[in-house]
Amino acid sequence: NAGVTQTPKFQVLKTGQSMTLQCAQDMNHEYMSWYRQDPGMGLRLIHYSVGAGITDQGEVPNGYNVSRSTTEDFPLRLLSAAPSQTSVYFCASSPAGGGHEQFFGPGTRLTVL
Amino acid sequence: LAKTTQPISMDSYEGQEVNITCSHNNIATNDYITWYQQFPSQGPRFIIQGYKTKVTNEVASLFIPADRKSSTLSLPRVSLSDTAVYYCLVGALNTNAGKSTFGDGTTLTVKP
Repeated sequence: NAGVTQTPKFQVLKTGQSMTLQCAQDMNHEYMSWYRQDPGMGLRLIHYSVGAGITDQGEVPNGYNVSRSTTEDFPLRLLSAAPSQTSVYFCASSPAGGGHEQFFGPGTRLTVL
Repeated sequence: LAKTTQPISMDSYEGQEVNITCSHNNIATNDYITWYQQFPSQGPRFIIQGYKTKVTNEVASLFIPADRKSSTLSLPRVSLSDTAVYYCLVGALNTNAGKSTFGDGTTLTVKP
């Protein structure tokens, strides 16, 4: 199993550009989440999904969209990138009924100029 | 989700036992306590989870007193490779899976 994969690993955008961060998991987990982590800080929840077709907002959803058309994939879209969105983005998945253990991807380091 | 409070940083030496305490005064009846470890440039990794008393696995032990308003992660005989940030999370299983609230964590530095 590859676990949770994220692409790209690094990305530089200009203010106003849009892009999609990809996340996929091959563990058949129902729950998936997106977090951002700013330097020296903990992770903050952006959006999460409890199953295909179901998404909800986390703590910091503004400027981001998500969709969950399949169990495996959970892309995160930046609509119009801003310098404040410079951060490391982590995707995570967890099994339904499996407790609080989440499996994290390696992260995408995004810089917005 | 219950708010947690941890020390910002801790130092230790190789071979010592390290105890990191987390306060969660508003923990709810259905809440579990979960600890994660994060190395630089990596995503967090699950360490241990518990509800009450003591839980032990091959990596760590988790001590939870009867009132459950705090918990202590115990790392036996740490090595340099245990230098990392440790996060304490509190939340109900299932209903909160996938939407964990991470605080700022405790940065543990293990010295030779």
